Amino acid sequence: QVQLQESGPGLVKPSQTLSLTCTVSGGSISSGGYYWSWIRQHPGKGLEWIGYIYYSGSTHYNPSLKSRVTISEDTSKNQFSLKLTSVTAADTAVYYCARVNWNGGDNYFDYWGQGTLVTVSS
Amino acid sequence: DIQMTQSPSSLSASVGDRVTITCRASQSISTYLNWYQQKPGKAPRLLIYAASSLQSGVPSRFSGSGSGTDFTLTISSLQPEDFATYYCQQSYSTPYSFGQGTKLEIK
Repeated sequence: QVQLQESGPGLVKPSQTLSLTCTVSGGSISSGGYYWSWIRQHPGKGLEWIGYIYYSGSTHYNPSLKSRVTISEDTSKNQFSLKLTSVTAADTAVYYCARVNWNGGDNYFDYWGQGTLVTVSS
Repeated sequence: DIQMTQSPSSLSASVGDRVTITCRASQSISTYLNWYQQKPGKAPRLLIYAASSLQSGVPSRFSGSGSGTDFTLTISSLQPEDFATYYCQQSYSTPYSFGQGTKLEIK
């Protein structure tokens, strides 16, 4: 059973960088056929896809956040990470990591972390 | 970017009811449409992928249909544990996008 777990600071000051790590167990992030993604949910709101990374290191980001986002991986630790720069209160959200399963062309988020609330405040 | 619109935004129903939630895409997405269930304080859970394929472990009372721009999620007989918020998501192209959610409440 694949499990994902987010970790990182729950409070970040405005203009600083939000950094989160997702640790994957029960499966390797180096396995082909899966992308590893970050998604966020503003309080009481819907879901926003941030981006994903493939084990080869290739990334793809939501254009709305692309200038501030970096997703990276550490295959030796079976982790992938999110960095979001120059944060403001609008970046306060629950951040989820999730696996994208590419199944014969179909793709979907089949495993999710529990989510971690990040608050941007001084 | 592809916009996803769900209706209704909220819905009251009773245990045993048949419920249908609709999702419309701003352009054709073939069958690249997924449905998720989210309960308060929890991560979303995949229910249906590729418009009509039931994810492993999901009860058969959940079903999905549609193609192109119009899709539906149907719960054939509501159970107490089904009261939650439901989201559709298009995986036709990035940026992936979600509907705004449909909150299913107990009548």
